[in-house]
Amino acid sequence: QSVLSQPPAASGTPGQRVTISCSGRRSNIGSNSVQWYQQLPGTAPKLLIYTNNQRPSGVPDRFSGSKSGTSASLAISGLQSEDEADYYCAAWDDSLNGRVFGGGTKLTVL
Amino acid sequence: EVQLVESGGGLVKPGGSLRLSCVASGFTFSSYNMNWVRQAPGKGLEWVSSTDSSSRSIYYADSVKGRFTISRDNAKNSLYLQMDSLRAEDTAVYYCAREGVSQDFDYWGQGTLVTVSS
Repeated sequence: QSVLSQPPAASGTPGQRVTISCSGRRSNIGSNSVQWYQQLPGTAPKLLIYTNNQRPSGVPDRFSGSKSGTSASLAISGLQSEDEADYYCAAWDDSLNGRVFGGGTKLTVL
Repeated sequence: EVQLVESGGGLVKPGGSLRLSCVASGFTFSSYNMNWVRQAPGKGLEWVSSTDSSSRSIYYADSVKGRFTISRDNAKNSLYLQMDSLRAEDTAVYYCAREGVSQDFDYWGQGTLVTVSS
């Protein structure tokens, strides 16, 4: 059971907008910034969003992040087939003194 | 170009030990906190351990505390994970990850597979 809660699956058709939620507690999302990682099949994870809503250079602006209270969301607009991947949220947890991840959401592009 | 290359994975019996290495290049290794993250087959990501740039602040996940030891050699641009008393549930791909200035994992290695089985 992961400390951060994500839906196990999400889907959309090309061009659609999808959102993936991430729910935590005051000790993690409520107190610290959230990151999102994308993991394409058979590859290492890649940083997608940092500090709740910032994109590293090279990440398309179709990807956006937000945070409110103890929850965060990743939105992907203009869905493309290459977006089919696993997505993970993460944050530092002050109570556990460690980094916590969500269980991951498998995004399928129909 | 930032590169992180892990090595040292393999097959080990329960109760055995293994030492993973991660060699960094393309950045000033001694200036960054470093982490180990693992992923069991077909499962999600699990943070394992972190060390700050000078090895003064070290943290472990409860699942590995007392069995794993993280260390680094800044002169060799290398990060290590000594894994003792290994269990079947430690079977995973182990990734080395750099911690960016915003406390994110901004670069990852390709991972090394550890299999614990008799």
